[in-house]
Amino acid sequence: GAVVSQHPSRVICKSGTSVKIECRSLDFQATTMFWYRQFPKQSLMLMATSNEGSKATYEQGVEKDKFLINHASLTLSTLTVTSAHPEDSSFYICSARDFLVNNEQFFGPGTRLTVL
Amino acid sequence: EDQVTQSPEALRLQEGESSSLNCSYTVSGLRGLFWYRQDPGKGPEFLFTLYSAGEEKEKERLKATLTKKESFLHITAPKPEDSATYLCAVRIGEGFSGGYNKLIFGAGTRLAVHP
Repeated sequence: GAVVSQHPSRVICKSGTSVKIECRSLDFQATTMFWYRQFPKQSLMLMATSNEGSKATYEQGVEKDKFLINHASLTLSTLTVTSAHPEDSSFYICSARDFLVNNEQFFGPGTRLTVL
Repeated sequence: EDQVTQSPEALRLQEGESSSLNCSYTVSGLRGLFWYRQDPGKGPEFLFTLYSAGEEKEKERLKATLTKKESFLHITAPKPEDSATYLCAVRIGEGFSGGYNKLIFGAGTRLAVHP
């Protein structure tokens, strides 16, 4: 299957700082990328959907000013958690899909964010 | 409301003991049902996509089937390395492609296979 990478895999930051997470599709062009959040022993919750070159579509209840998403190219999307607080600590997972090839959706390995 | 329910929540099997995981769904317009495997601290690994009732797909000891209301993931003669959380997701939205499609996940089934 297609490969999606995320960086960093783990990040610890102080409350009030901003953190950027990168998501890359390594062997295909991702026309659409998705960002999910997962709490311990819970399932994945979709935060936002982004199409290359356009603004992200956020799910209800997700603050767009807090979770900034940029999908500047067909292989890279970034999620910036602005002014992070302890309640933002979670496992963030990106996903990518190439509509031109197939309808499969592949996930990155995830980023564990801990806000102190 | 679109909903995906997986059962059981947790399943413990002996090595070689076959079983099935269930995923039932109520959605307004199904555009595909997906099965993923997730190991602790990792992202989901794609297993199968099913699109229409009656469709079946196999991969090693796993077989996924789909009806109009549910999907089953059959595990034949499981091994300890099959231990993981298995996630079911349905794609909803308009059409089969486009950025407005999205996956709705079930809570998952935590499978433990003991030697």
